[in-house]
Amino acid sequence: AQSVTQPDIHITVSEGASLELRCNYSYGATPYLFWYVQSPGQGLQLLLKYFSGDTLVQGIKGFEAEFKRSQSSFNLRKPSVHWSDAAEYFCAVGDKNNNDMRFGAGTRLTVKP
Amino acid sequence: DSGVTQTPKHLITATGQRVTLRCSPRSGDLSVYWYQQSLDQGLQFLIHYYNGEERAKGNILERFSAQQFPDLHSELNLSSLELGDSALYFCASSERYSSEQYFGPGTRLTVT
Repeated sequence: AQSVTQPDIHITVSEGASLELRCNYSYGATPYLFWYVQSPGQGLQLLLKYFSGDTLVQGIKGFEAEFKRSQSSFNLRKPSVHWSDAAEYFCAVGDKNNNDMRFGAGTRLTVKP
Repeated sequence: DSGVTQTPKHLITATGQRVTLRCSPRSGDLSVYWYQQSLDQGLQFLIHYYNGEERAKGNILERFSAQQFPDLHSELNLSSLELGDSALYFCASSERYSSEQYFGPGTRLTVT
């Protein structure tokens, strides 16, 4: 069965520091992988997605993620975090038709000044 | 603003009651998805409609039902409500069922 694991419930980084949020997935077929961000009181916003091709994908707001099939991982990175990046981040896996998307439990990011 | 609207924003009701949540997708989007976000279950896919027809079901309880109308708005009906149904319910829409999903701001349901 497909599933997503985000090992880190809460991460705190200093503003300007680099960031890596971990995501591991389990999926029987070719995975379609997503990272979403949720600010307090808001819906989810898509940061980036991976369907096929180049395993390093660029997203909005300076985020990128790398798909590593051998490690079943799709980690999210940002070289320099801004205070406005403080939010909850969700990794998700699904099929090509957006059906039955499975979300991780989320990682809450706190940014220290 | 994603362009997806959901009403109401907040809903407080008692156990055993029935409520209807409404979602208006972005203009031109044919697919509507419903999700439930709760503290204990996290974010779960409930159901997907495409152009009025049900496409896929996820972890949706039998007490819950949904439909998509000819004008493409969708309603999620929750009946015989239990305390455990308290959650944030999100609607998302996409142009087609393989396109990027845009999420609405959610409806927070509190069952007392």
